[in-house]
Amino acid sequence: AQSVTQLGSHVSVSEGALVLLRCNYSSSVPPYLFWYVQYPNQGLQLLLKYTSAATLVKGINGFEAEFKKSETSFHLTKPSAHMSDAAEYFCAVSGASSNTGKLIFGQGTTLQVKP
Amino acid sequence: GAGVSQTPSNKVTEKGKYVELRCDPISGHTALYWYRQSLGQGPEFLIYFQGTGAADDSGLPNDRFFAVRPEGSVSTLKIQRTERGDSAVYLCASSLQGQGRSNEQFFGPGTRLTVL
Repeated sequence: AQSVTQLGSHVSVSEGALVLLRCNYSSSVPPYLFWYVQYPNQGLQLLLKYTSAATLVKGINGFEAEFKKSETSFHLTKPSAHMSDAAEYFCAVSGASSNTGKLIFGQGTTLQVKP
Repeated sequence: GAGVSQTPSNKVTEKGKYVELRCDPISGHTALYWYRQSLGQGPEFLIYFQGTGAADDSGLPNDRFFAVRPEGSVSTLKIQRTERGDSAVYLCASSLQGQGRSNEQFFGPGTRLTVL
C-alpha cells in the first residue's frame, strides 16, 4: 500500500535560513513522488516531482528534493527562505496502479517564515 | 491560459440537503480527479475520470456521493443527504492524460463546503 508521512505539521524558520521539510513514503512499487505547495485560497501547485530519473530533483522557486531509497525519504529543501515561501506543503506518492494517476498525500507541513 | 476552475467557491448548506459542486478542467485534459481535504489534513482521493467514464471511484466514502462527466469536460460532484462530516474543501484536478503514474495534476482552488 502507498502512504506518505510528513514529519512536523509546522516548521518555522527565519528569513534567509535553510528550509527542510521532511517526507517519508511507503510504496509497494517503485515510487513516483511529488511536492505540492498550497498558498491561502489557491489550488495546489506542483513544486517538483521524482519519476525515477535523477535522484536530486530541482523544482520551481529554488526548491529541490533528494530521493533516498535506503531511507524511503524525499525531503524538500531550499537554501535560503523568503517571506513568500510561507505556505502549506504537501508530499505525495502516486498510486500503485498504472491505470490511474491518483495521488496519496501526506498531512501537510505549514511553513512559517519569520522576518 | 485558464486553469482549473471550480464553482461555487463556498457552499453552506443544511444537514440533509443535496449539493452539487462543479469543476471545469483545463481544456484538452482528458483526466479529471476529485479530492477531499478536511481541516488539517492532506487531500484524499475520491474519484478519477478518463474521458466520460469513472475509471476509479474507490475513494468515494459511501453511496451518497456521486460524480459525473457526461461530455468528457466539465464534471459535477453530487452529494445527497449531506452530513456535518461532509464539511471539507473539495478539490478538482485535471491532467493531460490520466494513465501513468507520473503525470502532473493541475488543481483548482477548491469548493469549501460547510454543512450546518
